[in-house]
Amino acid sequence: DILMTQSPSSLSASVGDRVTITCQASQDISDNLNWYHQKPGKAPRFLIYDASNLEIGVPSRFSGSGSGTEFTFTITSLQPEDYGSYYCQQYETFPLTFGGGTKVEI
Amino acid sequence: QVQLQESGPGLVQPSETLSLTCAVSGDSMITHYWSWIRQSPGKGLEWIGYVYYTGGTKYNPSLRGRATISLDQSNKRFSLKMTSVSAADTAVYYCARYNWNYGIDYWGQGTLVTVSS
Repeated sequence: DILMTQSPSSLSASVGDRVTITCQASQDISDNLNWYHQKPGKAPRFLIYDASNLEIGVPSRFSGSGSGTEFTFTITSLQPEDYGSYYCQQYETFPLTFGGGTKVEI
Repeated sequence: QVQLQESGPGLVQPSETLSLTCAVSGDSMITHYWSWIRQSPGKGLEWIGYVYYTGGTKYNPSLRGRATISLDQSNKRFSLKMTSVSAADTAVYYCARYNWNYGIDYWGQGTLVTVSS
């Protein structure tokens, strides 16, 4: 299985801050990586596919980059509604695997 | 808009079979793959498997053959059965749509299943 390692596991930031999360894959996954946002008690929301493409309706303050084994997710100006956990997920190979998550506190 | 809704018992006895169903609306079931994913505090998010409209399936080997996913196209539903459950199977179970090009793109709201006597 491909191991997805996210860092940090948690962070605290203020409204307007730039936030960066990294995701490392244990082997080359090309750009077959998604990012999700999950608020407590809710299902994950699909944000980014193919490492850097924003899903329709997702605000432009969210962005993703990277390929191969190293990926970055950025929120350029943190908003109050951005609290919760963020997860990366690879779909290069089955079984699909997820990162351990990054909990963002405002 | 694609919508998925899980249903099934919230409490299952140890060693019994967990059974969940997902109702799909807003999409044709022949265009994508239909998945189950679970989330527990101890193991995070874990992909269980998928079913395609042909009946083809693929599962996570970590489940050691205990999971079966099936499709009811006429009623736009798909189901999960997991045998010989234990406390380690306690989790929130999500049904989801798997897009071959983009991965998991739509999720149900999730349903908590507790394994306990």
